[in-house]
Amino acid sequence: KQEVTQIPAALSVPEGENLVLNCSFTDSAIYNLQWFRQDPGKGLTSLLLIQSSQREQTSGRLNASLDKSSGRSTLYIAASQPGDSATYLCAVRPLGAQKLVFGQGTRLTINP
Amino acid sequence: DAGVIQSPRHEVTEMGQEVTLRCKPISGHDYLFWYRQTMMRGLELLIYFNNNVPIDDSGMPEDRFSAKMPNASFSTLKIQPSEPRDSAVYFCASSKDLRGEKLFFGSGTQLSVL
Repeated sequence: KQEVTQIPAALSVPEGENLVLNCSFTDSAIYNLQWFRQDPGKGLTSLLLIQSSQREQTSGRLNASLDKSSGRSTLYIAASQPGDSATYLCAVRPLGAQKLVFGQGTRLTINP
Repeated sequence: DAGVIQSPRHEVTEMGQEVTLRCKPISGHDYLFWYRQTMMRGLELLIYFNNNVPIDDSGMPEDRFSAKMPNASFSTLKIQPSEPRDSAVYFCASSKDLRGEKLFFGSGTQLSVL
């Protein structure tokens, strides 16, 4: 059974720092992995989607990497801003399955 | 496109009452998902549809929960009778396909059952 873990559960850093959020999954047989952002009281917004054949995806200050063999993904945020404060969730789509498996998320706070 | 639209945004009801949550997916998306989110359990997939047909409802907690998708632009999730433990945020999400496309979420319905 696929399990997705995100550690730490919460992270607080000063504005301007570069930071890395971690996601690990137990089974490397996946179609793809997505990183989502969730603001308080809002739905999830998909940030980046990495196919199993890809190693990374970039969007603006965000860069997501995927190491399928080791069951790990990272979300790198460059030059963090207070507006980046949110909960970040990763989710994998296992091969042969049609459901996403979500991690519990990392609550990120960027302090001005 | 306006994105995935859910209504109501908030629902407060008393135990035993029927609750109906509504969702309009993004036009052209063939997949629709209903999720529930709580602090204790995180995000749970309740049911999903492909081309209006329910594919997997194994996440529906009990017979009190039912979902329909009468056409490509509308879905409902009904709880009857509601119980306090059903209190959660219910999200609807849609996607064009499952392999290469992102999943788009609505803003959710915050349900409180007293």
